[in-house]
Amino acid sequence: DTAVSQTPKYLVTQMGNDKSIKCEQNLGHDTMYWYKQDSKKFLKIMFSYNNKELIINETVPNRFSPKSPDKAHLNLHINSLELGDSAVYFCASSRGTTYEDEQYFGPGTRLTVT
Amino acid sequence: AQTVTQSQPEMSVQEAETVTLSCTYDTSESDYYLFWYKQPPSRQMILVIRQEAYKQQNATENRFSVNFQKAAKSFSLKISDSQLGDAAMYFCAYRSAYGGGADGLTFGKGTHLIIQP
Repeated sequence: DTAVSQTPKYLVTQMGNDKSIKCEQNLGHDTMYWYKQDSKKFLKIMFSYNNKELIINETVPNRFSPKSPDKAHLNLHINSLELGDSAVYFCASSRGTTYEDEQYFGPGTRLTVT
Repeated sequence: AQTVTQSQPEMSVQEAETVTLSCTYDTSESDYYLFWYKQPPSRQMILVIRQEAYKQQNATENRFSVNFQKAAKSFSLKISDSQLGDAAMYFCAYRSAYGGGADGLTFGKGTHLIIQP
């Protein structure tokens, strides 16, 4: 069974469109995250959610909005897509909020904006 | 803010030999976790090994071991008996103990490891 899954795995869209990436975890974890990996492979945290509450939000444009319908899901909505949004987006989850809780990553979604 | 530096963009090693990947970090905190993640061409992020800052003993996981030097803020990864399946991007990562919540990981820019057959 896949622990953390993301859909779709590939997404190609045009500038100005609005798109969503879905993330689901079946580990019973309380905390979920979104990371962005740019074209140079640099990974950076975007958001994390704990019990439906946004915990941190790094300097991410407000065109990006995480939405968590329940503890097992954390979807990423992106409005008015720009060329610079092209990247691989990873969802992750961890059991809790303590720093020793291991983060489990999804397979990533490669977003290409044309 | 914490930073993680991997000074080797690419490393190459012969199969069956040993290679060491470097990582340094900058923090003013005394307690934290350090991680090495592997990202093969499949893109999946795989945890290789982790080290808690207040534990002096270096972590080991089979062929993977770390050399953790807290005073020097250094956290290198040694891969023994390199195998073709070890070829991947390797990321060093830091996680604060004082975030008060679900802090994410701070990653280095990665080292591309090539295994020569």
